[in-house]
Amino acid sequence: AQTVTQSQPEMSVQEAETVTLSCTYDTSENNYYLFWYKQPPSRQMILVIRQEAYKQQNATENRFSVNFQKAAKSFSLKISDSQLGDTAMYFCAFMLRYNTDKLIFGTGTRLQVFP
Amino acid sequence: ETGVTQTPRHLVMGMTNKKSLKCEQHLGHNAMYWYKQSAKKPLELMFVYNFKEQTENNSVPSRFSPECPNSSHLFLHLHTLQPEDSALYLCASSQDVVSGRPNNEQFFGPGTRLTVL
Repeated sequence: AQTVTQSQPEMSVQEAETVTLSCTYDTSENNYYLFWYKQPPSRQMILVIRQEAYKQQNATENRFSVNFQKAAKSFSLKISDSQLGDTAMYFCAFMLRYNTDKLIFGTGTRLQVFP
Repeated sequence: ETGVTQTPRHLVMGMTNKKSLKCEQHLGHNAMYWYKQSAKKPLELMFVYNFKEQTENNSVPSRFSPECPNSSHLFLHLHTLQPEDSALYLCASSQDVVSGRPNNEQFFGPGTRLTVL
C-alpha cells in the first residue's frame, strides 16, 4: 500500500522569504504522479504543482518548485518570494499512473505567511 | 457558476436526522468523488463515480449513501450518523477515470462542514 507522510504540521515564513515543505512517500511501484494541493482558509482545494515520476526534471510553476528525489522517495515544495495569499494548508498527494482515481493524501502542513 | 459547487456549506444534524449533501460540477467531467476530511488526518476517499457508475466504495458505512443521477451531479445521503462522522466533506471531479492518463487532475469543491450532535 502507498503512504504519504508530511512531518511538519505547521510552518511559518515572513513575506518575500522562501520556505520548503517536506513530503515523503512509500511505494513499491515505479510509475506514479505526485501533487501538491493548497487549501486556503476558504477551503477550496486547488492544485499547485504536479510531478510525473518518470520525468527527472523538477516541476516548476512560477514561484512554486519541487525537489523530487525518486530514490529517496522525497517530494518537497519550495515557495519563493512568499506572499500573504500563500497562507493555507498544503497537502502532498500520490497517485499511481495506472490507478488514476485514487489520490492518497498526507496529513497536511499549515503554512502561515507573516507580513 | 463555474467549477465545483457544494451545498450546503454548513450542516448541523442530530443522529436521527436524514439529510443530503449536493455536489455539482460545471466542467464537463465524467468522474466525481466524495472525500472526508477530518482534523489531523489525511483526506479519505469515500466513493468514486465514473460515467455515473460507482467504481469505488472505500469501505464506507452504509449510513452514507451516494447517488449519481448524471455526470454533473453527485449526492451523499446521510442517515443515523454518529458524532465521529463530523467532518468536512469534499466533492471533486475529474475528466474521467482512465488508466495512465497524466493529466487527470481532480478539481475540488469548497466542502460541506458537517456537525453531528
